[in-house]
Amino acid sequence: QQQVKQSPQSLIVQKGGISIINCAYENTAFDYFPWYQQFPGKGPALLIAIRPDVSEKKEGRFTISFNKSAKQFSLHIMDSQPGDSATYFCAALRSGGYQKVTFGTGTKLQVIP
Amino acid sequence: DVKVTQSSRYLVKRTGEKVFLECVQDMDHENMFWYRQDPGLGLRLIYFSYDVKMKEKGDIPEGYSVSREKKERFSLILESASTNQTSMYLCASLTQGRGYNQPQHFGDGTRLSIL
Repeated sequence: QQQVKQSPQSLIVQKGGISIINCAYENTAFDYFPWYQQFPGKGPALLIAIRPDVSEKKEGRFTISFNKSAKQFSLHIMDSQPGDSATYFCAALRSGGYQKVTFGTGTKLQVIP
Repeated sequence: DVKVTQSSRYLVKRTGEKVFLECVQDMDHENMFWYRQDPGLGLRLIYFSYDVKMKEKGDIPEGYSVSREKKERFSLILESASTNQTSMYLCASLTQGRGYNQPQHFGDGTRLSIL
């Protein structure tokens, strides 16, 4: 059972454009939503994260938008660069306990010059 | 700097073999995890451990077991490897510390092929 649905599976964006990746979750007990970035040959690394008590979080060119009522959240990459080409995973977890993370299926982003 | 080291980057084994994947972290983290990564399926949790000698099943534990004899080391065992276990395996660690805004730290993965 896929508890975090992610789309699209792949995305091609021109340099300078906006990349948008969407995720939806089912479990209302989730209360922390990180995004991970994975470059080829490397493990995923935390990019940015949000708690559901805020609707938006921005770090540099990366912004998470969160819609609690719709149980959806998205990653926006402004002014996309070729160096942003990577696979992005959204994730969700319930705080406390063993912090088991549920990951989305991943989006492979390619930014072309 | 945080470091999670997986013993092999690439591994080729035969059907029926017993396979060991090793992971070591140098951060004194309490929690350790094993995932497999497959195209279109994302990261799926196989097993995790929250303390030495403790383990919990993840979402897809069938065909796997784990061992955690020391805090820094977490081993994934394929008891009798099958071709459907060909995949990328990722190890991660996480501090139990206060708050939940602690990232999981991943190794660079082991690409395992079962022939």
